[in-house]
Amino acid sequence: DAGVIQSPRHEVTEMGQEVTLRCKPISGHDYLFWYRQTMMRGLELLIYFNNNVPIDDSGMPEDRFSAKMPNASFSTLKIQPSEPRDSAVYFCASIGGGWHQPQHFGDGTRLSIL
Amino acid sequence: GQQVMQIPQYQHVQEGEDFTTYCNSSTTLSNIQWYKQRPGGHPVFLIQLVKSGEVKKQKRLTFQFGEAKKNSSLHITATQTTDVGTYFCAGRSTNAGKSTFGDGTTLTVKP
Repeated sequence: DAGVIQSPRHEVTEMGQEVTLRCKPISGHDYLFWYRQTMMRGLELLIYFNNNVPIDDSGMPEDRFSAKMPNASFSTLKIQPSEPRDSAVYFCASIGGGWHQPQHFGDGTRLSIL
Repeated sequence: GQQVMQIPQYQHVQEGEDFTTYCNSSTTLSNIQWYKQRPGGHPVFLIQLVKSGEVKKQKRLTFQFGEAKKNSSLHITATQTTDVGTYFCAGRSTNAGKSTFGDGTTLTVKP
């Protein structure tokens, strides 16, 4: 079975540029999460969706960050404009079958903003 | 809001020594999950505990859920170099949907 698929795996760009991260959850999963991981702040939940609807975006750092889930098989996390402090590993995870099920994480996108 | 604290933040052991990480929640949990993240990798689900006082084992790993369902522990017996990584707990409060991850305990094993 295909797991959670994220792209790109690595992204290096200059500050001020728009960055778009992509995620394909496991087929049939109805929850999708976006996390950011840094050494300083650990694993932070940015936003999560249920049945394509954003439920809690309280972790989104600021208006430069936005996330969408236009359908059950695709989500994007966009940063515009990007800043060096956005450099981190961004993970997408999905759950199917309810909250008691484990989260399945993608391989992550390693983002570097110069 | 719900807080999940993990200690220690780092643990360095000699191969063959035991290792324990502790997870404490500010609220009563309906369940707790444990994940392992290898260096450069992503968190991978290990196990879930649901019942008060529950104990589960996976080979050299022993997971416990406290009687009050507010704390949990992961114990590794006779560590090996393959145990290296960061271990996260994720607890779901009885009155909340999503789970909250602890900050993780990073284990290094010296051969």
